[in-house]
Amino acid sequence: QKEVEQDPGPLSVPEGAIVSLNCTYSNSAFQYFMWYRQYSRKGPELLMYTYSSGNKEDGRFTAQVDKSSKYISLFIRDSQPSDSATYLCAMSAMDSWGKLQFGAGTQVVVTP
Amino acid sequence: NAGVTQTPKFRVLKTGQSMTLLCAQDMNHEYMYWYRQDPGMGLRLIHYSVGEGTTAKGEVPDGYNVSRLKKQNFLLGLESAAPSQTSVYFCASSYSPGVWTEAFFGQGTRLTVV
Repeated sequence: QKEVEQDPGPLSVPEGAIVSLNCTYSNSAFQYFMWYRQYSRKGPELLMYTYSSGNKEDGRFTAQVDKSSKYISLFIRDSQPSDSATYLCAMSAMDSWGKLQFGAGTQVVVTP
Repeated sequence: NAGVTQTPKFRVLKTGQSMTLLCAQDMNHEYMYWYRQDPGMGLRLIHYSVGEGTTAKGEVPDGYNVSRLKKQNFLLGLESAAPSQTSVYFCASSYSPGVWTEAFFGQGTRLTVV
């Protein structure tokens, strides 16, 4: 069983809808939780970063971490065609030298 | 522009050939990482370095070697390429573990082994 599970999709939504993405994990030592956005044939770019539990909001993006359930979420409000990409969740433990454990990535398609 | 640069961007190798992938960063980052990305698998860590002259194994190190002779460069070597090493390779660097706003990925190297 993978340490981080993420539904690969694809997830297709109409423009303006809310996109809901999530990951589950099994390692209780994870403390840093990130969401990366990856456009086709590009490298991942950091979208949201959360330390420990709680919510974080940045514009149209909201990240949530529930450590008790080992579950993290990313919500994209008012989705745009430019949000079409693969979204990767990633996690790291405190003493892991910054090594990231990634989910498989969810492909999101926002249709005009 | 500051960032992480990978060379080459594309390469086709024959089984048994060798090659070196170069990762260069100009942000004075201590930590550098090599990942591979395969469909349905996400990114998996191959090797990493916590400073000049240091390297360590990641999750999938077999068939790869690395060197960090200069702080700004992290080299990934394939001594005898195999079709199973067909993948997209990403290099990343960070200022320090936990400072994720200062972590960056390169654009990737697409490697095909035939």
